[in-house]
Amino acid sequence: SQQGEEDPQALSIQEGENATMNCSYKTSINNLQWYRQNSGRGLVHLILIRSNEREKHSGRLRVTLDTSKKSSSLLITASRAADTASYFCATDNNAGNMLTFGGGTRLMVKP
Amino acid sequence: DAGVIQSPRHEVTEMGQEVTLRCKPISGHDYLFWYRQTMMRGLELLIYFNNNVPIDDSGMPEDRFSAKMPNASFSTLKIQPSEPRDSAVYFCASSGTGVERPQHFGDGTRLSIL
Repeated sequence: SQQGEEDPQALSIQEGENATMNCSYKTSINNLQWYRQNSGRGLVHLILIRSNEREKHSGRLRVTLDTSKKSSSLLITASRAADTASYFCATDNNAGNMLTFGGGTRLMVKP
Repeated sequence: DAGVIQSPRHEVTEMGQEVTLRCKPISGHDYLFWYRQTMMRGLELLIYFNNNVPIDDSGMPEDRFSAKMPNASFSTLKIQPSEPRDSAVYFCASSGTGVERPQHFGDGTRLSIL
């Protein structure tokens, strides 16, 4: 079964708007990672947030983590058409070497 | 710096045939992962290796699937005999040592079993 579940499954916005994707998970984690997948390509790592962190920024990306609710969110600000992709959250097992991926959010940014 | 290299990119074959997927991880990475991605089941971990040794193969669906890593720079995933339900995109990923190591993915092999 999937550890992470993304919400929404699909999101369509206009260029310049912000996009927020959510991820829920079930068991305790060491860290949570977000990945992006462009059509026909492999996943690309975006950002990692540790279990003792609450928020992290990287460029136009902002990730939050609430371990009490077992949830995380990824915010993409000032979206661009090039941000169109699927976004996945991934959680590690307690040994930290295996990742379990959620079902992903398909983001479409219209120019 | 070369990323994870997978071959072939596309494979179309008839059921019952043997299929071999190949992966070259990033040099220096000591973890290698094989995933399968389908619309119905999403991204599933099939097996992973550490220092060429299989650590967890609980995701391998059946005995028809096997994976090997004869050395640090090469791994294969074999399906024999193949079935139409094996049609999917198969990804290989590698990562280095350390708790906070991201995985680096290849661009996958799109497998179609007719």
